[in-house]
Amino acid sequence: GIQVEQSPPDLILQEGANSTLRCNFSDSVNNLQWFHQNPWGQLINLFYIPSGTKQNGRLSATTVATERYSLLYISSSQTTDSGVYFCAVARSYIPTFGRGTSLIVHP
Amino acid sequence: DADVTQTPRNRITKTGKRIMLECSQTKGHDRMYWYRQDPGLGLRLIYYSFDVKDINKGEISDGYSVSRQAQAKFSLSLESAIPNQTALYFCATREGTGKATQYFGPGTRLTVL
Repeated sequence: GIQVEQSPPDLILQEGANSTLRCNFSDSVNNLQWFHQNPWGQLINLFYIPSGTKQNGRLSATTVATERYSLLYISSSQTTDSGVYFCAVARSYIPTFGRGTSLIVHP
Repeated sequence: DADVTQTPRNRITKTGKRIMLECSQTKGHDRMYWYRQDPGLGLRLIYYSFDVKDINKGEISDGYSVSRQAQAKFSLSLESAIPNQTALYFCATREGTGKATQYFGPGTRLTVL
């Protein structure tokens, strides 16, 4: 199956800092999503981004499918950004998740 | 997403008991999935279904079974629960074609004593 690696595994920031999270995958995929799992366990869709660049407020994502990676950018981080960020890739609608990046944003 | 609901939200049970976790969706999606989440391991796929007559094993199906009662309902059963099945369980749906965004339920926290 497809291998998905996320880095860094843990990240601690001060409020207001910027960060970049990375997702590498081992084979070609036809879809890719980024999720945020909040401290209460809820999984929230951030981006559906099999290729290209998207932005939503302080968050943006870029996927370079030919080089098999995706990046999630968080600018001006806030304490509410804390949680775990997952990348999930899929081929033929069978998803594989990475192990996530745990983000803590201190006030 | 409120469009995907899971019951129960929390359950504590004993080793050897049969447990059923239920998932319902109002999104009209054909594809449904069950995952489990363990600390530090991300989400792993247990079973998935692409329509009512289609059931497929995922990465970690041993010890689990599923039933797709209707397009909107997909249940996960633990026939004889064991402590290492203690985990957070998620149901998800996905559109059938084109943009294939997954939508997750709120999760069921299961503890097997």
